[in-house]
Amino acid sequence: DIVMTQSPDSLAVSLGERATINCKSSQSVLSSFNSKNHLAWYQQKPGQPPKLLIYWASTRESGVPDRFSGSGSGTDFTLTISSLQAEDVAVYFCQQCYTTPRTFGQGTKVEIK
Amino acid sequence: EAQLVESGGGLVKPGESLRLSCAASGFNFVDAWMSWVRQAPGKGLEWVGRIKSKSAGGTVDYAAPVKGRFTISRDDSESTLLLQMNNLRTEDTAVYYCAAERPDFWRWGQGTLVTVSS
Repeated sequence: DIVMTQSPDSLAVSLGERATINCKSSQSVLSSFNSKNHLAWYQQKPGQPPKLLIYWASTRESGVPDRFSGSGSGTDFTLTISSLQAEDVAVYFCQQCYTTPRTFGQGTKVEIK
Repeated sequence: EAQLVESGGGLVKPGESLRLSCAASGFNFVDAWMSWVRQAPGKGLEWVGRIKSKSAGGTVDYAAPVKGRFTISRDDSESTLLLQMNNLRTEDTAVYYCAAERPDFWRWGQGTLVTVSS
């Protein structure tokens, strides 16, 4: 199974400042078939289901604010919130969509400092 | 708009069974690959299993903790995804979500709570 490891487990960022979350996979999720990284990022607010933010490691889902961006390739990935807003307080998960079992990172809780 | 609505959760005793449903609307369910994901209280996300579309072979894959106890199926005529859970254990207690794959999980249901307790 591919193990997904996020860091940090939590972070507190001031409003308007940058938040950066890292995700590392135990093996590459770069597909030789389509040359895409099969890595997605989700946001989950309390009492709500996860919401897709980023797919193919760096493609923003429709309707997601452009302050959210994804980067990385192979085994190392990053989700960046360029200017944290109050509504961004949530837990963020990365997920590999490369193979089954689909696996998620343990989550990173983002709070306001 | 694409929508997924789960139902069927509840309180059961260890060893009992439960069947969850996920009603899909607003997208082409017949060609969709569908997954179940669960989240234990206060914990992270755990993939339960996936069923491919019939055109892709209809193959079902399961996570190791549920293999042999859970069965995923689909009724394309009713745009419904099903999860039959047998021999439930206390560690199966979680909110169960259905999700549409792309292969990212682009749409999630609101979830249904399953509690396994004596």
